[in-house]
Amino acid sequence: EAGVTQFPSHSVIEKGQTVTLRCDPISGHDNLYWYRRVMGKEIKFLLHFVKESKQDESGMPNNRFLAERTGGTYSTLKVQPAELEDSGVYFCASSPGWNTGELFFGEGSRLTVL
Amino acid sequence: SQQGEEDPQALSIQEGENATMNCSYKTSINNLQWYRQNSGRGLVHLILIRSNEREKHSGRLRVTLDTSKKSSSLLITASRAADTASYFCATAQRGNKLVFGAGTILRVKS
Repeated sequence: EAGVTQFPSHSVIEKGQTVTLRCDPISGHDNLYWYRRVMGKEIKFLLHFVKESKQDESGMPNNRFLAERTGGTYSTLKVQPAELEDSGVYFCASSPGWNTGELFFGEGSRLTVL
Repeated sequence: SQQGEEDPQALSIQEGENATMNCSYKTSINNLQWYRQNSGRGLVHLILIRSNEREKHSGRLRVTLDTSKKSSSLLITASRAADTASYFCATAQRGNKLVFGAGTILRVKS
């Protein structure tokens, strides 16, 4: 069974440009989460989807970040326009239930904003 | 405020020795989990302990939880070079929304 896959693994963009990160959760997992780790800081929650609906987006830093999950399958996280402080690793995770405990993480998308 | 702070920040031991990492948190929790991250890879779930549990074992891993002190420890026994990684504790108050600590970098020398 395929795990959580993320694309791209690494993206380097200029400040002001747009980047879209993609996450494919484990098949059948209704719950999808985005986290990020800015350099030297903790891994922080961004948002949680249940199928195609945003259950909790309290961690989204500002309106330059837009997450979608069309059809309740894969999800995208768009940063527009990117700022220097957005650099970090963006992790996606999925789980079958909302309270099952274990999250299954992808390998992350490293974003570098120059 | 930060939830889930690990100590030490870094730990270097010899293969075969035991490694102990500690985690403290601030609010009430539903469960506490430990994850491992190998360099450049994703987070891998190691073990979960619920708030009504005090100790849990999984292979060479032993986790304790003291809710009165709001702390947990992860013990890796008979460490191996392959255990070299970053270890994170994460707390869940409700559902699967996790709050992570800054992590402990473990290096096991062979």
